[in-house]
Amino acid sequence: AQTIHQWPVAEIKAVGSPLSLGCTIKGKSSPNLYWYWQATGGTLQQLFYSITVGQVESVVQLNLSASRPKDDQFILSTEKLLLSHSGFYLCAWSPTRNTEVFFGKGTRLTVV
Amino acid sequence: SQWGEENLQALSIQEGEDVTMNCSYKTYTTVVHWYRQDSGRGPALIILIRSNEREKRSGRLRATLDTSSQSSSLSITAAQCEDTAVYFCATPYTGNYKYVFGAGTRLKVIA
Repeated sequence: AQTIHQWPVAEIKAVGSPLSLGCTIKGKSSPNLYWYWQATGGTLQQLFYSITVGQVESVVQLNLSASRPKDDQFILSTEKLLLSHSGFYLCAWSPTRNTEVFFGKGTRLTVV
Repeated sequence: SQWGEENLQALSIQEGEDVTMNCSYKTYTTVVHWYRQDSGRGPALIILIRSNEREKRSGRLRATLDTSSQSSSLSITAAQCEDTAVYFCATPYTGNYKYVFGAGTRLKVIA
């Protein structure tokens, strides 16, 4: 069975500090990977997707970057956090395009 | 109804009532997915309906799809307190890997 693990579970960070969030997917080779952001009480906004190692496409610009250093790993980062980066970050995967997307448990980020 | 930049809707109903949530989508798609998100967790798929289906049922859930109006609905029959959650529709974009969620409906079922 496939599993998706996100880390950390929660972070409180200062404005201007760097950030690195990660997720790993086990049990599925070459998954499509996604990062989503969700404001409190809001919908899910797709940030990035990756269909293969080393290739990441940006969907919206939020002063964030993403990388896929390994087939099963997806990293979200920024060098300088803004207050507007606060929210719930979700990593997700799908086996192919146009199929169900499976989500991790998310990381709650509070920028102060 | 829900889509994109619209705010999350809120519905409050009594246990045992039926409820319908609507979604309209803006791009050609071959499938509409409906997700449920419990507080503090990632969403999980509860039902999907393909473009060649007008209606799909799963237990107390019923999804409909009208491709001519690019709209879908999710109905819950005899809602229970445990149905309290946020419900989203989502559609994959044909031709790329964008996967777009609607604004969502926050459903509260009161005993």
